[in-house]
Formats: sequence, C-alpha cells, structure tokens
Amino acid sequence: GDSVTQMEGPVTLSEEAFLTINCTYTATGYPSLFWYVQYPGEGLQLLLKATKADDKGSNKGFEATYRKETTSFHLEKGSVQVSDSAVYFCALSPLRGSNYKLTFGKGTLLTVNP
Amino acid sequence: EADIYQTPRYLVIGTGKKITLECSQTMGHDKMYWYQQDPGMELHLIHYSYGVNSTEKGDLSSESTVSRIRTEHFPLTLESARPSHTSQYLCASSEGGYSNQPQHFGDGTRLSIL
Repeated sequence: GDSVTQMEGPVTLSEEAFLTINCTYTATGYPSLFWYVQYPGEGLQLLLKATKADDKGSNKGFEATYRKETTSFHLEKGSVQVSDSAVYFCALSPLRGSNYKLTFGKGTLLTVNP
Repeated sequence: EADIYQTPRYLVIGTGKKITLECSQTMGHDKMYWYQQDPGMELHLIHYSYGVNSTEKGDLSSESTVSRIRTEHFPLTLESARPSHTSQYLCASSEGGYSNQPQHFGDGTRLSIL
C-alpha cells in the first residue's frame, strides 16, 4: 500500500539557518504530494503541494520539488524564523482509488531558536 | 482561508459520559474526515464520509461513531468515554473528485477523560 516516510525529529535550528526535511513516498503511479504545517494548539494547514513530476510547490519561503525518479518531496527553506517552529507533515493522495484519502508521514517537529 | 469549525476546543469529562464532538464546514465539501492525533503527533484516520448518509471506518479502529445527515455537519460520538479515548481529534474536509484537492482542517478538540 501507499506510505510516506519523513525525517524523524526533533529538528532544532538557529534563526536564519537552512532547513531541509526529507520525505520519500511509496505509491502507484503519480500521486499528488503535500506538505502541511501544524502550529502549536492548531489544526493542520496546507503549506504547499505538487501534483505531477518536476512540479515545484512553494509558499512562505518554503519549497519542495516532486521527484519521481527518487520518489521524494523534500521540504526546504533558505532562512528559517522563530515563527516557523511547528510540526511539519508530508502527505500523498493517490491518483486513483482509496477515494483520495491522504496518507501522512509521522510528522517532524521543528524548533527555531533566536 | 478554510472555514471548518470544531467545538468544543477542550473537554475534560469523567469516565462513562456520552460525548459528541462537533464539526461543521461552510465550503460545501462532499468529503469529511475525522483523525485521532496521538501525543507523538502521528495522525490516524478513524472515520470518513463521501457525502450525506455515507460513512466509513478509517484505518484505525475506534469505538466512536459518526453521522452525516447534512453536508456541512459531521459529528463524532463516544457513547461511554474511557481514559483510553484521551487524545486530540481533528476534523477535515475536501472537495470531491480529484486527488490534487487538499484537505482543510479544523483546530481540533483536545479531549481528556478522567
């Protein structure tokens, strides 16, 4: 079945550091890929998405590129801020079947120190 | 931004009580979901619905039940709460028909059973 594996945390960085959170997936065909962010005490918010190979999703300085050849969707940001401290989830939605239910990774906790 | 609401935000209640967690969305989405989020952050799908009068059990077995009498409303009920039900519960919704449609999340209900 479908699965998502993301980098285990927690990840602790200093402000203005470069961020990478790795995400790889297993799925049939060409799923849609998502990154969600969960700030403390809140639900999940869509951060970015990509729906086909080589697509780059971007939002709020975060980027991720859909790599079919390596089945990856790594999240990057060039300069993190304290306000980026949150839990980040990688997820996929299959192209067909499962009525497009999302498969989530286990989440990566990011803490950014001033 | 997404309009999906969960009430209550926090609930502390004794064992054996009947509990209903409310979830409403104003976007007219056909699909709705309930997730249980454990303290380690991982999300588990416990129920979903494709539309009115349609409900299915998710990947994680749950003693809770759901109903979908109106498109906008997807309540979750525990007939007799137990300490093992203590968790955060997240409701989500999405448009139907395409895998690239993201899920929109409410802010969650944090449930504590004494």
